[in-house]
Amino acid sequence: GENVEQHPSTLSVQEGDSAVIKCTYSDSASNYFPWYKQELGKRPQLIIDIRSNVGEKKDQRIAVTLNKTAKHFSLHITETQPEDSAVYFCAALRNGAGSYQLTFGKGTKLSVIP
Amino acid sequence: DSGVTQTPKHLITATGQRVTLRCSPRSGDLSVYWYQQSLDQGLQFLIQYYNGEERAKGNILERFSAQQFPDLHSELNLSSLELGDSALYFCASSVEGTTRNEQFFGPGTRLTVL
Repeated sequence: GENVEQHPSTLSVQEGDSAVIKCTYSDSASNYFPWYKQELGKRPQLIIDIRSNVGEKKDQRIAVTLNKTAKHFSLHITETQPEDSAVYFCAALRNGAGSYQLTFGKGTKLSVIP
Repeated sequence: DSGVTQTPKHLITATGQRVTLRCSPRSGDLSVYWYQQSLDQGLQFLIQYYNGEERAKGNILERFSAQQFPDLHSELNLSSLELGDSALYFCASSVEGTTRNEQFFGPGTRLTVL
């Protein structure tokens, strides 16, 4: 099955700096890669996603890049703010016979220091 | 608010007991997914239902079972509970299809087994 590795597990940045979180996946058939933000005790919220036919996608201060050949994708947050502090999860989805199973990375705890 | 609802919010029970968690998907979504999130752990996929039928199984224990009803709500049944079953249980829903893969999470049910 699919295996998703996520690094780093914790990340501290100064407010205004950029943060980068990296993920690798194992199944070359995976074709959809979402990123979720989870605040303490709350539900994961989809913040951005990318499909395998696209190399980069941007939404304001958040961007995601995908390298299908190397099987890795990254989340970039620019001009970080204290409210960006949360746990971020990457995931990979493989469509197979109607099964849309997401495999998640173990998460990155991002702390933005004011 | 994602539009996915889960009840109850909190559940405290004893080892050996059985509980039922309930999830109502977003209007129009046919797929429901169940995830377990233990302390300091990522999101573990348990099971997926699509329009009443089981589509995929992940790391779901034999003591756990689920179903999706004709009105598309789903229930996750956990029996012979052990201390290690204490976790946050999330359900997510999606429209599903070749281009619509986004999964939206409910607020979760926090299960504590004493």
